[in-house]
Amino acid sequence: GAGVSQSPRYKVAKRGQDVALRCDPISGHVSLFWYQQALGQGPEFLTYFQNEAQLDKSGLPSDRFFAERPEGSVSTLKIQRTQQEDSAVYLCASSAGGWSEQYFGPGTRLTVT
Amino acid sequence: QKEVEQNSGPLSVPEGAIASLNCTYSDRGSQSFFWYRQYSGKSPELIMSIYSNGDKEDGRFTAQLNKASQYVSLLIRDSQPSDSATYLCAVIIESGGSNYKLTFGKGTLLTVNP
Repeated sequence: GAGVSQSPRYKVAKRGQDVALRCDPISGHVSLFWYQQALGQGPEFLTYFQNEAQLDKSGLPSDRFFAERPEGSVSTLKIQRTQQEDSAVYLCASSAGGWSEQYFGPGTRLTVT
Repeated sequence: QKEVEQNSGPLSVPEGAIASLNCTYSDRGSQSFFWYRQYSGKSPELIMSIYSNGDKEDGRFTAQLNKASQYVSLLIRDSQPSDSATYLCAVIIESGGSNYKLTFGKGTLLTVNP
């Protein structure tokens, strides 16, 4: 079946603009995760959903970051008033449940100019 | 101390050799361990998971886990140039308040020379 999909694949935003990044998990996967990956680093956890419930948002770097998954499938990561330090690859992953194997989407590369 | 540590490399091996990638972790209570492969410009791809002490083999890949030493490794037999990538070790670590998170090392860059 289809894997995790993310859109857009690339996004260039001017500093101060708002952006929305979309993730479509593997069909039937109840758990969805967002990560941020800087160049030369491993992915860093941002937030975790089980169905529509956001169970952990401790990794979100500031209150400019907001994630939702209103119907328990597609998720959106929104970044308000983007800053240069927000430039990174944003990865979405899904798993069949809880903390089992996670499968990653292709990522969205965000560049803030 | 970082929660998951890997040598950043680069690790260079000749084609056909065994590549050995190592990882240590800080949370003694961790139970779930994963290896991901990441090609340049691509996203991480899960290649192995391991939950019990000992070895787990899948094709040319063998994951080894030693919970007492807080050590997990990945062996790649008969290395091929197509194995050249960054290998990420990831561990489920308790992050407080009954929360857990998948925590990654920085990754080891492997180059397999033809």
